[in-house]
Amino acid sequence: SQQGEEDPQALSIQEGENATMNCSYKTSINNLQWYRQNSGRGLVHLILIRSNEREKHSGRLRVTLDTSKKSSSLLITASRAADTASYFCATDARSGAGSYQLTFGKGTKLSVIP
Amino acid sequence: KAGVTQTPRYLIKTRGQQVTLSCSPISGHRSVSWYQQTPGQGLQFLFEYFSETQRNKGNFPGRFSGRQFSNSRSEMNVSTLELGDSALYLCASSLAMVRGTEAFFGQGTRLTVV
Repeated sequence: SQQGEEDPQALSIQEGENATMNCSYKTSINNLQWYRQNSGRGLVHLILIRSNEREKHSGRLRVTLDTSKKSSSLLITASRAADTASYFCATDARSGAGSYQLTFGKGTKLSVIP
Repeated sequence: KAGVTQTPRYLIKTRGQQVTLSCSPISGHRSVSWYQQTPGQGLQFLFEYFSETQRNKGNFPGRFSGRQFSNSRSEMNVSTLELGDSALYLCASSLAMVRGTEAFFGQGTRLTVV
């Protein structure tokens, strides 16, 4: 089942603009992660934010987390053509035998036009 | 450090056949998870192995199975292939799939069932 739901499903912007993607989830979480996927390839981990954190930065990325609204946002500043990819949020849920599984949303497809 | 390696990258099979996909995790990682990605369902968790034991299984039929070897390499097998099994199959490795663990993904195996 999908835990996270990204919004919008697709986003097209000009190079240099900022891109904001949102993620909503249903159950309580311990962490929320964002991943990037270039077309038809594997996922690359971008950033992890813990439930007791409200904001986190990594380079041109800024992630916020609002646990009261069960939502997170990913902001990419000064976008580049190379940022064109799909972006997924993922939450981890305890799933027996001491392990956790990542549950992904359906992703936001970002297109950055040069 | 070498990344996660999945083989083969592309595969075409006929309905009713079976297929085996392979995943070599990052050296030292003991947890391997498998995901199926389709346009309609997104990323769906298949199963997770840790130290040769399946700790966790997603909601997939018994035709989907897997195993992990003593060197942490993992294989997944799909028997009696159906058209709906066409998907990108992704493998992720981590030190141990515990809370807040970053997962490292391979490039995936694109399976097409005709």
